[in-house]
Amino acid sequence: EDQVTQSPEALRLQEGESSSLNCSYTVSGLRGLFWYRQDPGKGPEFLFTLYSAGEEKEKERLKATLTKKESFLHITAPKPEDSATYLCAVPFQGGSEKLVFGKGTKLTVNP
Amino acid sequence: SQTIHQWPATLVQPVGSPLSLECTVEGTSNPNLYWYRQAAGRGLQLLFYSVGIGQISSEVPQNLSASRPQDRQFILSSKKLLLSDSGFYLCAWSKGGDYGYTFGSGTRLTVV
Repeated sequence: EDQVTQSPEALRLQEGESSSLNCSYTVSGLRGLFWYRQDPGKGPEFLFTLYSAGEEKEKERLKATLTKKESFLHITAPKPEDSATYLCAVPFQGGSEKLVFGKGTKLTVNP
Repeated sequence: SQTIHQWPATLVQPVGSPLSLECTVEGTSNPNLYWYRQAAGRGLQLLFYSVGIGQISSEVPQNLSASRPQDRQFILSSKKLLLSDSGFYLCAWSKGGDYGYTFGSGTRLTVV
């Protein structure tokens, strides 16, 4: 069964304190790994897609990396506006275009 | 550009009442459409998805149903709501062959 596990469940950082979020997956034949940001009471917003081990994507203070078993979302010198829940997702096996999501990491950045 | 509209934003309904949530997409044709539910402390759970008009796949046995009467319209329904139907309902679309979902703003449903 496809499974996506995110850790930690919650993370509190001081402004400027860099850290990383983890997403591990158990699907075989990965057809992409997706990162989303979700603000309270809103729908998730697409951030990155990674397709192969060693690939990296960057956007402002965020950098996503991918290995064969996990992905990291590195946050460099975060600001309070980076506070949100970060979700990762992978496609279901079987060739369908459906995503299975992890439970997310709730990031709080204090000023 | 493509946009997705979902309404209402919040809804409080009594147990046993019917439900209809609507989602429409603009600026694209033949999108894949999805309904997800997000409950407190749980991840996003896929409820239904559709690859075309009248084509609905159900992922989880439940008290809900979905319909796609038009290419860019996706409706989530229930004849009789249960307390366990409470949650945050999200509609999303993607283009065939592309997993980059675009989500709507969500509907917060509270069944009382």
